[in-house]
Amino acid sequence: GAVVSQHPSWVICKSGTSVKIECRSLDFQATTMFWYRQFPKQSLMLMATSNEGSKATYEQGVEKDKFLINHASLTLSTLTVTSAHPEDSSFYICSARDPGRNTIYFGEGSWLTVV
Amino acid sequence: GNSVTQMEGPVTLSEEAFLTINCTYTATGYPSLFWYVQYPGEGLQLLLKATKADDKGSNKGFEATYRKETTSFHLEKGSVQVSDSAVYFCALSSAGGTSYGKLTFGQGTILTVHP
Repeated sequence: GAVVSQHPSWVICKSGTSVKIECRSLDFQATTMFWYRQFPKQSLMLMATSNEGSKATYEQGVEKDKFLINHASLTLSTLTVTSAHPEDSSFYICSARDPGRNTIYFGEGSWLTVV
Repeated sequence: GNSVTQMEGPVTLSEEAFLTINCTYTATGYPSLFWYVQYPGEGLQLLLKATKADDKGSNKGFEATYRKETTSFHLEKGSVQVSDSAVYFCALSSAGGTSYGKLTFGQGTILTVHP
């Protein structure tokens, strides 16, 4: 079964609204989680590294005020897309590092459509 | 910086054919190497991994060997099935430390297997 769960799987929102996506590690504590974005027929691009109890580290070109990341507990990181616009429509996927198994697990991903 | 170059697709094969998807990388130090698979409409699943030179990762009939001398991690399967149709991503992560888990992906290769 899944060890990293992402929710929601699908979301449609209106332009100008905010959307929150959750990423949970189910059977391990993840001090570090990662958020990626995938445009249609393209590869995954790392957006940011989410660190429990501290600020996220954003990749170059990613707007931190638009893509708010909160990692308030060892099992939950959230990505909030603020003031969403149609160009934010994409597939967002998180991953978490399990230090015990030395393995990286991905969530199921979230399809965001902004209309 | 790190980079991963994958064989361009799409790749179309008949069932029971031999599969090779080439992957080469550029990285400093000794990265860990991964193959992920993405089935239609789903997130990423770890297919196999190798963490040091000459390691062979294997799973579900797929294999890949970490070749440091050629900086390659080619994916192979002796006899593909229709159910193997998916997008395959080669990826690397810098070894150890806080960077582990921060993946750099190749562009992905679409595999379609016909009966």
